[in-house]
Amino acid sequence: ETGVTQTPRHLVMGMTNKKSLKCEQHLGHNAMYWYKQSAKKPLELMFVYNFKEQTENNSVPSRFSPECPNSSHLFLHLHTLQPEDSALYLCASSQEWGLTQPQHFGDGTRLSIL
Amino acid sequence: DQQVKQNSPSLSVQEGRISILNCDYTNSMFDYFLWYKKYPAEGPTFLISISSIKDKNEDGRFTVFLNKSAKHLSLHIVPSQPGDSAVYFCAAIRGDAGGTSYGKLTFGQGTILTVHP
Repeated sequence: ETGVTQTPRHLVMGMTNKKSLKCEQHLGHNAMYWYKQSAKKPLELMFVYNFKEQTENNSVPSRFSPECPNSSHLFLHLHTLQPEDSALYLCASSQEWGLTQPQHFGDGTRLSIL
Repeated sequence: DQQVKQNSPSLSVQEGRISILNCDYTNSMFDYFLWYKKYPAEGPTFLISISSIKDKNEDGRFTVFLNKSAKHLSLHIVPSQPGDSAVYFCAAIRGDAGGTSYGKLTFGQGTILTVHP
């Protein structure tokens, strides 16, 4: 399924760099999500956007800054990250936040902080 | 405090046999449960779900069983195929309005399933 597309697939950056992760969904969904998966840990929800409005910020440090310009696009802006931020970042979408429906995931961006 | 737990990190099964993946949860407010499958270098793919008002849901070779009193669910794959080899994640969601967990998917750590030819 290619309904949720994430770019880049891999990213290596230094701690002082600024970069952005991009997510695009072609499923007509209204909710979009950022998840983090660290090694040997469950997926952790970071942010939720519903109809372009942020509805959840799961105590994420301010060095991660999400942006949702429309229901189809979601960005995660990164700046002054730490080595422990190295992880797989997954974007997902669903019809609407709060409904008991499956979320559809992209293939993720593997982020490595030097 | 992990609310969804998959206590078996891995499972190895012979092709044609049954694979049983287990998941336990602690939050009695969860009322919708999902299983996702993940291949290397890909995102999780939705597999099957079950509402708390049911105790069984079947889709082809995949059946999910829910035991609410034990706060336990399991995924049965019959017959298992080599292509089923992947990481399987159990997830739970609280569907009622209100509360900080409303709508959030809470995932288990995953179980690596290997199906041998």
